[in-house]
Amino acid sequence: NAGVTQTPKFQVLKTGQSMTLQCAQDMNHEYMSWYRQDPGMGLRLIHYSVGAGITDQGEVPNGYNVSRSTTEDFPLRLLSAAPSQTSVYFCASSEPGQGSYEQYFGPGTRLTVT
Amino acid sequence: GDSVTQMEGPVTLSEEAFLTINCTYTATGYPSLFWYVQYPGEGLQLLLKATKADDKGSNKGFEATYRKETTSFHLEKGSVQVSDSAVYFCALASGAGSYQLTFGKGTKLSVIP
Repeated sequence: NAGVTQTPKFQVLKTGQSMTLQCAQDMNHEYMSWYRQDPGMGLRLIHYSVGAGITDQGEVPNGYNVSRSTTEDFPLRLLSAAPSQTSVYFCASSEPGQGSYEQYFGPGTRLTVT
Repeated sequence: GDSVTQMEGPVTLSEEAFLTINCTYTATGYPSLFWYVQYPGEGLQLLLKATKADDKGSNKGFEATYRKETTSFHLEKGSVQVSDSAVYFCALASGAGSYQLTFGKGTKLSVIP
């Protein structure tokens, strides 16, 4: 079991460029989510998905798109990167049927937008 | 809405000192409570959890008790080690169909020899 994997680990973008952060899990979890971590802000939810074909917005969705075509994958797209999107991004998954709502996190992607 | 408040850091302790990191919450219903730990350069790992009032979560010498009357879930360890240096996050899940976690802002702990 690889758990939750994220690629790339590091990325530098110029303002206005687009890119996709990849996230995959091999635990057959229905629930997946994206967070961003900024100093002094904790983790804030960007988007989440409760199953293939179903996504919804979290606390800070502006500037990000997601889709969920398979149970395993949940990519996060930045359409036009801005310096305010410089952050560390974490993907997480969980299986609500287990009842404890524990989430499993990937290792993160550190994104810098110049 | 739901919220989590934890003591601000950074916290610096000597090895073998006693650790307390305070966490209080506001939530509707009966949330599940978690402590996550983030070691330098890594993602978050679940440290311990409690799913109902008076439950005590424990792991690696850390403990936290779910106190509904004070809406608290304070993290404690009797004797910290250098290897415990990390950022600690308190979090809650409201349950009842809500799978989202609400996090506190994190407390950075540094343990010096």
